[in-house]
Amino acid sequence: EVQLLESGGGWEQPGGSLRLSCAASGFTFSTYGMSWVRRAPGKGLEWVSSISGSGGETHYAESVKGRFTISRDNSKNTLYLQMNSLRAEDTARYYCAKAHSSDYFPVDYWGQGTLVTVSS
Amino acid sequence: EVVMTQSPGTLSLSPGERATLSCRPSQSITSSYLAWYQQQPGQAPRLLIYAASSRATGIPDRFSGSGSGTDFTLTISRLEPEDFAVYYCQQYLTAPVTFGQGTKLEIK
Repeated sequence: EVQLLESGGGWEQPGGSLRLSCAASGFTFSTYGMSWVRRAPGKGLEWVSSISGSGGETHYAESVKGRFTISRDNSKNTLYLQMNSLRAEDTARYYCAKAHSSDYFPVDYWGQGTLVTVSS
Repeated sequence: EVVMTQSPGTLSLSPGERATLSCRPSQSITSSYLAWYQQQPGQAPRLLIYAASSRATGIPDRFSGSGSGTDFTLTISRLEPEDFAVYYCQQYLTAPVTFGQGTKLEIK
């Protein structure tokens, strides 16, 4: 059974940093592209970042480019999102997402999400 | 960026009725790159339909997707109590991938 378990969310002040993790199990992690998708309070889903199975390719939404870094450790079956220079508009629940097949989308499995709150 | 417009924003129906949800991309989307997701309160999204009309694993056949270009539809033929949720469409043809704002399907 595929499982994705996010951690690392919490409260941080504007300008601060957080590192999200996503522990994956139930599939061959290194074979699949992975993504982070967020949902801000009262809003819809927003793609944040994606990384290839090998980790050699990364992609970012313009809203987080230069501030967030996606990475993965295939030996630990874990996906990461390093979030720096946090802004109030980054407040959201962040979901770890596994690609259905090749590329990054559609997503066939999602974690339950981890909540990030950026506020002074 | 491709803007995905979903309608209606909220749809009030009763169990047993048929639901029709619309998704209109601002640019033409090849059918192979359109997905639908369902999200229950407090839960992770779930993939329902990909490539516009292919049901994901384990999705009941009362869910169906159709459409092409700039007009796509998710149909739920006969609503079950567990179908009342928020539904999102997504295009993954053009970077950045984008989602619609969602249609909330509520019990009438």
